[in-house]
Amino acid sequence: QKEVEQNSGPLSVPEGAIASLNCTYSDRGSQSFFWYRQYSGKSPELIMSIYSNGDKEDGRFTAQLNKASQYVSLLIRDSQPSDSATYLCAVTGTDKLIFGTGTRLQVFP
Amino acid sequence: DAGVTQSPTHLIKTRGQQVTLRCSPKSGHDTVSWYQQALGQGPQFIFQYYEEEERQRGNFPDRFSGHQFPNYSSELNVNALLLGDSALYLCASDTRQGGEQYFGPGTRLTVT
Repeated sequence: QKEVEQNSGPLSVPEGAIASLNCTYSDRGSQSFFWYRQYSGKSPELIMSIYSNGDKEDGRFTAQLNKASQYVSLLIRDSQPSDSATYLCAVTGTDKLIFGTGTRLQVFP
Repeated sequence: DAGVTQSPTHLIKTRGQQVTLRCSPKSGHDTVSWYQQALGQGPQFIFQYYEEEERQRGNFPDRFSGHQFPNYSSELNVNALLLGDSALYLCASDTRQGGEQYFGPGTRLTVT
């Protein structure tokens, strides 16, 4: 079993829709959870961090964490073509980040 | 506020050669982690440096080594390069208290 799992996609959504990205993790002791956005050929850019159960909102982004289910999600409201990228879920294990393989999001006009 | 910087941007090496990659952390950060990202994969943790010592190491062979300097900058060295070492090498920094890691632009290494 992979430590952090994501659907590789692509996830295709129309402009203006809500994109929902999901991630599961295997280590119940994980404390910190992050979403990174990575454009093709570029490095990962931190967009959200979440540390406790529930929802955390920042602009068009909402991160959701459910530690009991070992599940993290990212919602992107009013999706724009500029949101088209790979979204990486990362979980901390003893200070190092463990990444999933990423979900490719395509937002079409 | 200076972000994480890495050099060089791109590098082409031949099998068997050695390479050194460099990283300067974000202002105020003292911990540097290195990751390898192969095409289509998520970044894989190589090792982490704090107070000039390697604190953690991922599942990478001894051909991968590093160093951290008193100004918190860091180097990644790879010896006896293999074709499979071709990847994007990422440096990330944060504070020892943990939390959010910020990545540099990466170094694209191609081994031929």
